[in-house]
Amino acid sequence: AQKVTQAQTEISVVEKEDVTLDCVYETRDTTYYLFWYKQPPSGELVFLIRRNSFDEQNEISGRYSWNFQKSTSSFNFTITASQVVDSAVYFCALSEAYNNNDMRFGAGTRLTVKP
Amino acid sequence: DTAVSQTPKYLVTQMGNDKSIKCEQNLGHDTMYWYKQDSKKFLKIMFSYNNKELIINETVPNRFSPKSPDKAHLNLHINSLELGDSAVYFCASSQEGGYTEAFFGQGTRLTVV
Repeated sequence: AQKVTQAQTEISVVEKEDVTLDCVYETRDTTYYLFWYKQPPSGELVFLIRRNSFDEQNEISGRYSWNFQKSTSSFNFTITASQVVDSAVYFCALSEAYNNNDMRFGAGTRLTVKP
Repeated sequence: DTAVSQTPKYLVTQMGNDKSIKCEQNLGHDTMYWYKQDSKKFLKIMFSYNNKELIINETVPNRFSPKSPDKAHLNLHINSLELGDSAVYFCASSQEGGYTEAFFGQGTRLTVV
């Protein structure tokens, strides 16, 4: 089965710092889908981005950017000029085309942004 | 209009009881899921349904039984609750399985005492 590793358990930064959250994945499938979700202290899970394995273009959305590199099986997430409201647990997830009803999550990275 | 709604939001019950959590989505999605989030925030898939058909049934105790009366509903019934069942349970739906992003309900915090 596919696997997602988020090696950073917790990260703490000061407001306005840039921070990168790492995500490394394992899959035997050539077609797969990667996701990032945010879970703020209120507890809901919020979808941030989806990428398929054929689209290695990096994505930028405001202060958020994502770097997808198939060569290193990584899908990293960078927050530029972090804000206190970015404090949350961030999850990377992976599903495979072969078994596409099985979305697996990494363990999550807890980001704390201090004022 | 809530896209994925689950009830109740909080559930406190005694060991040995049977309880149900209901989930409904109004997005017209084909796939629904149940995830369990433990105290360390780890999200583990429990079940996945596609058009009312069970697709994934991870290694969960058979005390947990999902029921999908129609495409828009996926309920979770738990028999003989144990202390270790305490967790947050999330329902989710996606348009086309793992090809598309999942939308999550607000979660049900189950506490077994």
